[in-house]
Amino acid sequence: EIVLTQSPATLSLSPGERATLSCRASQSVGNYVAWYQQKPGQAPRLLIYDASTRAADIPHNFSGSGFGTDFTLTISSVQPEDFAVYYCQQRSNSLITFGQGTRLEIK
Amino acid sequence: QLHLQESGPGLVKPSETLSLTCTVSGDSFNNVLYHWGWIRQPPGRGLEWIGSIYSTGSTSYNPSLKSQVTLSVDMSRNQVSLKLTSVTAADTALYYCALYVWGSYLGYWGQGALVTVSS
Repeated sequence: EIVLTQSPATLSLSPGERATLSCRASQSVGNYVAWYQQKPGQAPRLLIYDASTRAADIPHNFSGSGFGTDFTLTISSVQPEDFAVYYCQQRSNSLITFGQGTRLEIK
Repeated sequence: QLHLQESGPGLVKPSETLSLTCTVSGDSFNNVLYHWGWIRQPPGRGLEWIGSIYSTGSTSYNPSLKSQVTLSVDMSRNQVSLKLTSVTAADTALYYCALYVWGSYLGYWGQGALVTVSS
């Protein structure tokens, strides 16, 4: 099983700051990585797939990068509505695993 | 837009079987190949993938749950079902169904069904 490790566990920022979230895979997953945003009481929402492609209706201040084992989600300027928990996800051999999540909180 | 709705008992006794159904509706849903997933989230914790099923019936399961899980599909009703046997308190969670997009990712999600395992 491929393990995804996200860091940091919690990220405290002020609105307008840049957020950088990391996801590391225990072995190469190519570019088969997605990022999800989950707000309290809501289902996760797909933000980024194939490591760097924004899903429909996702603002341009969200971007993804990486290949192989190291991946990054960047929010160029954090907005009040962006404070949430973010999960990375990979697919390998038809099996899916998620990272443990990074909580983005207001500083 | 597609809408997914999970349904089933909210309380299950230990050692019994948890059963949930997910129904898909929406103008853009038609009789093509779909790939469905089930994911769960224990209270206050992260996401765990349970398994997936194609509309053809082909399945993949999380190895850690494989002995307990059965997924099935009924395309005549636009439904997929989850059965989890011999449940314990550790199976208490919010259970989501989702539709895959682009082969590998979960693009449409239901609102989730909370299932509590307790006597």
